[in-house]
Amino acid sequence: AQSVAQPEDQVNVAEGNPLTVKCTYSVSGNPYLFWYVQYPNRGLQFLLKYITGDNLVKGSYGFEAEFNKSQTSFHLKKPSALVSDSALYFCAVRDMPSGGYNKLIFGAGTRLAVHP
Amino acid sequence: AAGVIQSPRHLIKEKRETATLKCYPIPRHDTVYWYQQGPGQDPQFLISFYEKMQSDKGSIPDRFSAQQFSDYHSELNMSSLELGDSALYFCASSFSETQYFGPGTRLLVL
Repeated sequence: AQSVAQPEDQVNVAEGNPLTVKCTYSVSGNPYLFWYVQYPNRGLQFLLKYITGDNLVKGSYGFEAEFNKSQTSFHLKKPSALVSDSALYFCAVRDMPSGGYNKLIFGAGTRLAVHP
Repeated sequence: AAGVIQSPRHLIKEKRETATLKCYPIPRHDTVYWYQQGPGQDPQFLISFYEKMQSDKGSIPDRFSAQQFSDYHSELNMSSLELGDSALYFCASSFSETQYFGPGTRLLVL
């Protein structure tokens, strides 16, 4: 079964410093990986995805993620954190049943707190 | 750009009542997904529809049912509500591998 793990419940970063939010995955076959962000009382906003191609994926709001097949990781990164980046971040993998039409399986989420 | 629309945004019900949540996907998206997010939890898949047919089913209670209509909007019907049904219910839509989520309906069962 497909799964993702986010090993950190919370990540604290000072504004202006680089940030990393970790995600590891376990899949059979080629992974379809996603990052979403959730602000308080809001829906999930799509940030970026890896399907195939370059291992470094660039997304919205200056975020990027690096796909590492040997380490089965898909860590989210940003060179310079903003206070407004403080939110709940979810890593997700697309389940791949034989019939298609694939649901997302989410990690437990990591709360990012960026301090001024 | 148009986004996924969900209504109502907030709903308060008593135990054993029924509730209907509505979802209007992004235009030209052919697949709709429903997820439930409990307090402090990650979203859990409930059910999905592709071209108005049920395409996948997750951890959806038998008390819940859903359908997708000819105009592609979807409704999640919840009966005999329980306290544990209190959660944020998300609808998402897609036409390819990326799912775009609505703002959610926050259901509180008292």
